[in-house]
Amino acid sequence: DISLTQSPVILSVSPGERVSFSCRASQSIGTNIHWFQQRTNGSPRLLIKYASESISGIPSRFSGSGSGTDFTLSINSVESEDIADYYCQQSNSWPTFGSGTKLEI
Amino acid sequence: QVQLQQPGAELVKPGASVKLSCKASGYTFTRYWMYWVKLRPGQGFEWIGEINPSNGGTNYNEKFKRKVTLTVDKSSTTAYMQLSSPTSEDSAVYYCTVGVRRCFAYWGQGTLVTVSA
Repeated sequence: DISLTQSPVILSVSPGERVSFSCRASQSIGTNIHWFQQRTNGSPRLLIKYASESISGIPSRFSGSGSGTDFTLSINSVESEDIADYYCQQSNSWPTFGSGTKLEI
Repeated sequence: QVQLQQPGAELVKPGASVKLSCKASGYTFTRYWMYWVKLRPGQGFEWIGEINPSNGGTNYNEKFKRKVTLTVDKSSTTAYMQLSSPTSEDSAVYYCTVGVRRCFAYWGQGTLVTVSA
């Protein structure tokens, strides 16, 4: 199985700041990585697919980058509604998920 | 719009099987694979398996092969996940999700399964 390591576990930021989340794969997975947001008591919401492809309806302040083993999700200017847990997931083989990063504001 | 409707909660006695449902609407049911994902506090997300609604073909995470059976009813555009002989380890939120090539684009609200006598 491909394992995904997310860091940090918790991110504390102020509104308007730029923030980045890291996801590292245990082996090269090309760009087969996707990012999700999960708010408290909510369902996961797909933010970015295939490392950097945008999703219809997702604010443009969310962006993704990376390939191979190292990936980054960025929020350009954090808003209070972005308080949530953020997860990466790989689809290069049987799907696995990172353990998540909690965003605090 | 794509909607996946799941019951909010199920209470199950240990050893008694339970069948979770996921009613799909807003898209052609047979066109996209349906996936199931488990979320347990402290354990993170786990992919359980997937089913092709067009022909019923399935793939399972090895960990869940003897625990779960995935089926669909095309006439009602509903996917099902049967959980057999549940234990406390099976208490979790179970999501159905639909997408392409294991990119999970749309998610149900999740069913909280509580295994308790």
